[in-house]
Amino acid sequence: QVQLQQSGPGLVEPSQTLSLTCAISGDSVSSNSAAWNWIRQSPSRGLEWLGRTYYRSKWYNDYAVSVKSRITINPDTSRNQLSLQLNSVTPEDTAVYYCVRTDYDGKPRPFNWFDPWGQGTLVTVSS
Amino acid sequence: DIQMTQSPSSLSASVGDRVIITCRASQSLSSYLNWYQQKPGKAPKLLIYASSNLQSGVPSRFSGSESGTDFTLTISSLQPEDFATYYCQQSYGLPYTFGQGTKVEIK
Repeated sequence: QVQLQQSGPGLVEPSQTLSLTCAISGDSVSSNSAAWNWIRQSPSRGLEWLGRTYYRSKWYNDYAVSVKSRITINPDTSRNQLSLQLNSVTPEDTAVYYCVRTDYDGKPRPFNWFDPWGQGTLVTVSS
Repeated sequence: DIQMTQSPSSLSASVGDRVIITCRASQSLSSYLNWYQQKPGKAPKLLIYASSNLQSGVPSRFSGSESGTDFTLTISSLQPEDFATYYCQQSYGLPYTFGQGTKVEIK
């Protein structure tokens, strides 16, 4: 059973960097059949996909345009975890942040879905 | 970006009722549509993937269907534990996008 355990501060000052970590158990961050995402949820923006990292003979990243200039998602293979860094945060970045796996059904043009989700981390941007 | 429009945004229903939630995509998704259930203070939970496939462990009263760019989540007989917010999500292309949610409340 795959489990994702998130950690990181719940309060970040404006203009600073938001940093979260997601520890993976029951799967590998280097898996050739999964991807690892960060998704956030706020009352104003709803559920918003931020980006992903995945390994297919080499590492790939994709990011949402809305945060592309500020976001970095990195895998840590030695600890089997992934991290999120979001720079220059503003109060608009206040949200619950989730670490989420993309699972695939293995077909040539595979269907994919988000499962499981981490427990979520409420990050408040405030001085 | 692919826009996902859910309706209704909220509904009141009684235990035993049949509940239907609709999600409309701004373009064809070729069945790349998933449904999630979220309870207060918890992360979303996968219910249905690829439009109509029930995730393991999810009760059979949940079902999904599609017609063109319209997708439907049906709860055949609402149970007390089903009161929650439901989201659709397209997995056809990046950026992955979600509907705004449908809150199912007790009547």
